[in-house]
Amino acid sequence: DTAVSQTPKYLVTQMGNDKSIKCEQNLGHDTMYWYKQDSKKFLKIMFSYNNKELIINETVPNRFSPKSPDKAHLNLHINSLELGDSAVYFCASSPPGGDTQYFGPGTRLTVL
Amino acid sequence: AQSVTQPDIHITVSEGASLELRCNYSYGATPYLFWYVQSPGQGLQLLLKYFSGDTLVQGIKGFEAEFKRSQSSFNLRKPSVHWSDAAEYFCAVGGTNDYKLSFGAGTTVTVRA
Repeated sequence: DTAVSQTPKYLVTQMGNDKSIKCEQNLGHDTMYWYKQDSKKFLKIMFSYNNKELIINETVPNRFSPKSPDKAHLNLHINSLELGDSAVYFCASSPPGGDTQYFGPGTRLTVL
Repeated sequence: AQSVTQPDIHITVSEGASLELRCNYSYGATPYLFWYVQSPGQGLQLLLKYFSGDTLVQGIKGFEAEFKRSQSSFNLRKPSVHWSDAAEYFCAVGGTNDYKLSFGAGTTVTVRA
């Protein structure tokens, strides 16, 4: 009965490829997020959607495109993958007001 | 701008000993404060949070944290650590209708037998 789930858990791919990571939450939350955790474990927000509307878009290369088909899903598509994109990507969700965020298990992306 | 500083990169503690992790924050309004734990290869689990009221907050797994506005701190404590507490601990700050959580760099806790 996972609250926030992500697929895949691991993703290994070549430079230049395009890949997607999917996120689903069954908490009934209105807001969803994508975070990137780098090799030093530093967590930084990338995007946030509230009721399918983009509300946070940090300085992320436009190769990264989030898509929210409905409130329960937020997918992350990455074009033309680069070595520096290797990281763990976390999805999260929160109730209205964005106070407490609940995180998924993460997707470890390795770009070769 | 909001920010979080966790001064201790790595702490080693003996099993059964007490643990305190430091967190200092900068936030322009009334802060919401959080501690998350990340076990190896796992996602982030919420340990506890402070929004308002009692400045001593109890969380899961026997953890507690104390909010001190005058010191802009939100330190995490546990009286007696277990080997399973070995993990990465993150302090984070946000606010009312502020969807952006800012995280500290994390503190790695190692527990020795």
